[in-house]
Amino acid sequence: EIVLTQSPATLSLSPGERATLSCRASQSVSRYLAWYQQKPGQAPRLLIYDASNRATGIPARFSGSGSGTDFTLTISSLEPEDFAVYYCQQRSNGPPGFGPGTRVDLK
Amino acid sequence: QVQLQESGPGLVKPSETLSLTCTVSGDSVGSYYWSWIRQPPGKGLEWVGYVYNSGTTYYNPALKSRLTMSVDTSRNQFSLNLKSVTAADTAVYYCARYQMLDWFDPWGQGTLVTVSS
Repeated sequence: EIVLTQSPATLSLSPGERATLSCRASQSVSRYLAWYQQKPGQAPRLLIYDASNRATGIPARFSGSGSGTDFTLTISSLEPEDFAVYYCQQRSNGPPGFGPGTRVDLK
Repeated sequence: QVQLQESGPGLVKPSETLSLTCTVSGDSVGSYYWSWIRQPPGKGLEWVGYVYNSGTTYYNPALKSRLTMSVDTSRNQFSLNLKSVTAADTAVYYCARYQMLDWFDPWGQGTLVTVSS
């Protein structure tokens, strides 16, 4: 079973700053890595699939990169609505799984 | 636009069976893979399992012995049954379309199920 690790656990930033979130897999997942945003009381929302493809309606300030075991979600300039928890998710030959999440909060 | 809506009891007694249904609108339930994901209060996301119209299923190994999922094309719904529940099964349960067996989109709003006597 592949384990995902996310860092940092919490990222404290101000609006307008750049956010860089990391997701590392215990073994290669090729490019089968997705990112989700979750706000309190809401369901997760797909942001990025297959490592770097933005989902429909997702603003261009969100971008994903990486392959193999190391992946990054970048928010180029934080908007007030971007403060939330972000999860990565992999699918491999085994069961799909999620990382523990990174909380992006207001500094 | 595809929309998903979970329904079912919000309270289940320990040792009983948790049963949830997800109603799909805007798409045919027979055309895709569908999944359940849960989130204990204040914690992260846990994949539960997925089902396809053909009866194909794949369950989280940790839940496999207690879990059954199925599709009802006549009602455009899919369902989850988790037996012998304990307090550890208390969570918000989300249904989602499992696109390309790769990513989950869209998601239902989620339903909180509490296991308590």
